[in-house]
Amino acid sequence: GAGVSQSPSNKVTEKGKDVELRCDPISGHTALYWYRQSLGQGLEFLIYFQGNSAPDKSGLPSDRFSAERTGGSVSTLTIQRTQQEDSAVYLCASSLEARGHYEQYFGPGTRLTVT
Amino acid sequence: GENVEQHPSTLSVQEGDSAVIKCTYSDSASNYFPWYKQELGKGPQLIIDIRSNVGEKKDQRIAVTLNKTAKHFSLHITETQPEDSAVYFCAASIHSGAGSYQLTFGKGTKLSVIP
Repeated sequence: GAGVSQSPSNKVTEKGKDVELRCDPISGHTALYWYRQSLGQGLEFLIYFQGNSAPDKSGLPSDRFSAERTGGSVSTLTIQRTQQEDSAVYLCASSLEARGHYEQYFGPGTRLTVT
Repeated sequence: GENVEQHPSTLSVQEGDSAVIKCTYSDSASNYFPWYKQELGKGPQLIIDIRSNVGEKKDQRIAVTLNKTAKHFSLHITETQPEDSAVYFCAASIHSGAGSYQLTFGKGTKLSVIP
């Protein structure tokens, strides 16, 4: 079946502009996670959704970052007034259940470049 | 919070030899340890995982061992093949106070299998 999809695959933006990144999780998956992967680094947790609510936003690096999820499905990550240090690959993952350790399935990511 | 250290950062082996990647974690409450393989331009893909009530798990050429007392776990790949070349990430998962099962990742190991 279809996996996690993300769009766009690449995004180049000027410093100070806002960007929206989209994630389509696997159908029926309750939990959704956003991670950020900087060059040569591991993945850094950003935010977690259980259904449409986000009980854990502890990884968001600043108030310029926000995310929402609608209909228990699609999620968007918004970065306002982008800075060069925001350049990274943003990865979305979904998991079947929100409670318990279930496999997280990752999308291919969105590569964001801020010039 | 949890901290995961991964070694080595790069590893080159001859085809047919074994490869071993080691990780340590800091939070004794972590109880789920997945390993992901990431190929260039793709999202991470789960290859094997282990839970804290198990000391070893094997799946064909891949095995993972866990030592909870020492807080370290290792990935073993036997009879390596060129298609095993990729970046491998270890991770540890803890049930956070906010209810998420976020993964804390190591910084990755770039494995090169030389034909």
